[in-house]
Amino acid sequence: EAQVTQNPRYLITVTGKKLTVTCSQNMNHEYMSWYRQDPGLGLRQIYYSMNVEVTDKGDVPEGYKVSRKEKRNFPLILESPSPNQTSLYFCASSLSQGRSTEAFFGQGTRLTVV
Amino acid sequence: GDSVTQMEGPVTLSEEAFLTINCTYTATGYPSLFWYVQYPGEGLQLLLKATKADDKGSNKGFEATYRKETTSFHLEKGSVQVSDSAVYFCALTRTTGNQFYFGTGTSLTVIP
Repeated sequence: EAQVTQNPRYLITVTGKKLTVTCSQNMNHEYMSWYRQDPGLGLRQIYYSMNVEVTDKGDVPEGYKVSRKEKRNFPLILESPSPNQTSLYFCASSLSQGRSTEAFFGQGTRLTVV
Repeated sequence: GDSVTQMEGPVTLSEEAFLTINCTYTATGYPSLFWYVQYPGEGLQLLLKATKADDKGSNKGFEATYRKETTSFHLEKGSVQVSDSAVYFCALTRTTGNQFYFGTGTSLTVIP
């Protein structure tokens, strides 16, 4: 079954404690990205990757890091989480950017930073 | 820059009512347009899409037509069901761009 898998689904952590949210896709997609979803703001892109070892900033990259060492995996790293990073996070993948490209989303990770 | 504006929610309808969720966009060139749906506790799923002007996307009784002259992509359904209760997101992507641009989402609740 084609899917994007995120872990964990729920996470409560304390300010400053480094954490990683994993994302894996089994569709051999080149393009992967991370979004955060906040009430009244919709989804905003944090980082994206067009292929292995190619990453770039989205609209709200501050406080986040990513890596793309393998095609299937695209972890999101918060080196020093702060309460304003409390949000619902989604990983997405797609075959490539193009006119009919569909993005596939993971089920989300709800992060709370206290 | 590119952006999507969709109607504020929440929207509450009775079963079998007609649904319209408005979506307008700002973009250079000729973007592709999408509607995604998010059921409670789940990720976003593609509902329908249209890639050029006057195209109509349709799925599960939902429809939306790409109107370049009004820069709109309104979502419609003739008769909603309780199972349609979800959050709906309008989105666009450019042909040469690197990301999707999402609206803020519209929450729909359908009551029996």
